[in-house]
Amino acid sequence: DAMVIQNPRYQVTQFGKPVTLSCSQTLNHNVMYWYQQKSSQAPKLLFHYYDKDFNNEADTPDNFQSRRPNTSFCFLDIRSPGLGDAAMYLCATSRRTGDTDTQYFGPGTRLTVL
Amino acid sequence: AQSVTQLGSHVSVSEGALVLLRCNYSSSVPPYLFWYVQYPNQGLQLLLKYTSAATLVKGINGFEAEFKKSETSFHLTKPSAHMSDAAEYFCAVKSNDYKLSFGAGTTVTVRA
Repeated sequence: DAMVIQNPRYQVTQFGKPVTLSCSQTLNHNVMYWYQQKSSQAPKLLFHYYDKDFNNEADTPDNFQSRRPNTSFCFLDIRSPGLGDAAMYLCATSRRTGDTDTQYFGPGTRLTVL
Repeated sequence: AQSVTQLGSHVSVSEGALVLLRCNYSSSVPPYLFWYVQYPNQGLQLLLKYTSAATLVKGINGFEAEFKKSETSFHLTKPSAHMSDAAEYFCAVKSNDYKLSFGAGTTVTVRA
């Protein structure tokens, strides 16, 4: 089945230690998104790639970076995780053709910062 | 800018009872609306979407939603709740720049 895959599902890191989260997709979608979701809150968009074009949200901290080496993969890098970065990180993809542009989400990576 | 408001952060229903989750939207253009469900420690799963083709939209797991322009609403319903419906539900609207604007979410608990 076509899907969005995130690895790892659970990640523990230490305060200040860089961490990378991975997302891959078999849907061949041209747009990939990264969201941060804290407990009991809605997902918050960090940034997205439309093909190779990177689009950063205005309020996304510089501590968060992203790479998309090819259509299938996208990475989220947190350069110096703080305690406030502990959250669920969700990857989503969409095919931006027409108006609907439905987003499909992966299972998420739960990040714990010690 | 498009936005949605979900009325009620928590809904508790008995097994077999009607599930009704309320969502109102604000949009200056015909909206594209979505309902997603999130189970604990999982991603968001698309339940259904409204794309102006039909006002009554049927989704997965027995859920449906009705688009009412006059009430700017897109409420989600399921005739008979099951224990497996216990989850967080998010209503969302697509903005002009293709981003999703989410509601705050509604947590559903199902009583045996």
